[in-house]
Amino acid sequence: GQQVMQIPQYQHVQEGEDFTTYCNSSTTLSNIQWYKQRPGGHPVFLIQLVKSGEVKKQKRLTFQFGEAKKNSSLHITATQTTDVGTYFCAGTSNDYKLSFGAGTTVTVRA
Amino acid sequence: DSGVTQTPKHLITATGQRVTLRCSPRSGDLSVYWYQQSLDQGLQFLIQYYNGEERAKGNILERFSAQQFPDLHSELNLSSLELGDSALYFCASSVVPQGYEQFFGPGTRLTVL
Repeated sequence: GQQVMQIPQYQHVQEGEDFTTYCNSSTTLSNIQWYKQRPGGHPVFLIQLVKSGEVKKQKRLTFQFGEAKKNSSLHITATQTTDVGTYFCAGTSNDYKLSFGAGTTVTVRA
Repeated sequence: DSGVTQTPKHLITATGQRVTLRCSPRSGDLSVYWYQQSLDQGLQFLIQYYNGEERAKGNILERFSAQQFPDLHSELNLSSLELGDSALYFCASSVVPQGYEQFFGPGTRLTVL
């Protein structure tokens, strides 16, 4: 079945530095979504990518969808303490099944 | 506040028991999703309903079942509970079955002793 792998599992970042989390699917995706879950909270939708090669930006966050629609990345620049949390990618296959990656848990050193 | 409500917030029960978790989607959302999140684990998709009908099924155990009612609220039934079923169970809703953002509820924390 469809699997979505996400790396790294943990990311310890110095405040002000950049980092990237990657998401890879074993099958072609119809779309991919990114969510953020703060500690003790619930996942909150960040963005959705649909087109091959699509790039979207939200302030310091840059999201990319691969040309083959099997991978995606989230790049955060100038990390801030507010970026703490777990970032999940979620891919939808062509048969509507949704798979979440295991998430990247981000901690920030001030 | 996402607009999705889940009850109860916490549930403590014993092995072998049966529980029901309830979810009310955002007003206007027709699709409901159920997820299981174990400690330090990602989100495991269990099942999706759209306008009362099952739309997609993930890694849902046979001991678990769900349904969506005509008023669009949904219930997740967990039976013959085991210690390993202890987890946070999230419900999410969206306007249409796929391709739109999901709004997550605050979750129900289930503890099986």
